[in-house]
Amino acid sequence: QVKLVQSGAEVKRPGASVKVSCKASGYSFTAYHMHWVRQVPGQGFEWMGWINPISGGTNFGQKFQGRVTMTIDTSISTAYMELNRLTSDDTALYYCARPNGYHGFDIWGQGTIVTVSS
Amino acid sequence: QSALTQPPSASGSPGQSVTISCTGTNSDVGGYNYVSWYQQHPGKAPKLMIYEVSKRPSGVPDRFSGSKSGNTASLTVSGLQAEDEADYYCSSYAGSNNYVFGTGTKVTVL
Repeated sequence: QVKLVQSGAEVKRPGASVKVSCKASGYSFTAYHMHWVRQVPGQGFEWMGWINPISGGTNFGQKFQGRVTMTIDTSISTAYMELNRLTSDDTALYYCARPNGYHGFDIWGQGTIVTVSS
Repeated sequence: QSALTQPPSASGSPGQSVTISCTGTNSDVGGYNYVSWYQQHPGKAPKLMIYEVSKRPSGVPDRFSGSKSGNTASLTVSGLQAEDEADYYCSSYAGSNNYVFGTGTKVTVL
């Protein structure tokens, strides 16, 4: 069964950083990029970027450039997304998502809620 | 990159059809045949319903169909069922390995 399992909820202070993990199973981890998408409660989705698990190459959405880091540990089939200099506007549900090879995302993690509050 | 524009809500009675629009620009929806649609029930992760404008993943009922004209893509749900009540989001490839999502539409089955 193809699955993405994310780390648990986080509460952070403004200015801090958060690192979310996404462990893949049931498929060849290095065969697909890993994307990160966030959803502000009650609002739509924002695409954050992707990482190539073979090369470690990344591409980020303009809004997140300079503030996000994506890494990979292929030995444990896990992707990580770290967001720095958090503000209250970063309070959201963060998802990892696997592309289907045709610019759609067919496998999603369960989401990780990140709350930024003083 | 601006979000794709969707109507906030749509509704229909069981058995009827509902169509949701997704309007972008020449740089995303209009520039590529890479529009996807997602269904999201409350508290759940999104589910891919349509990719490449009109293709259905295995297991998605053929009641769901997609199309595109110019900078606007559409999702039609025919033969509405109670379980179709959910939020629906479009997404498009936007060039340079970037993606953009829509604002979301809440579908209510009356």
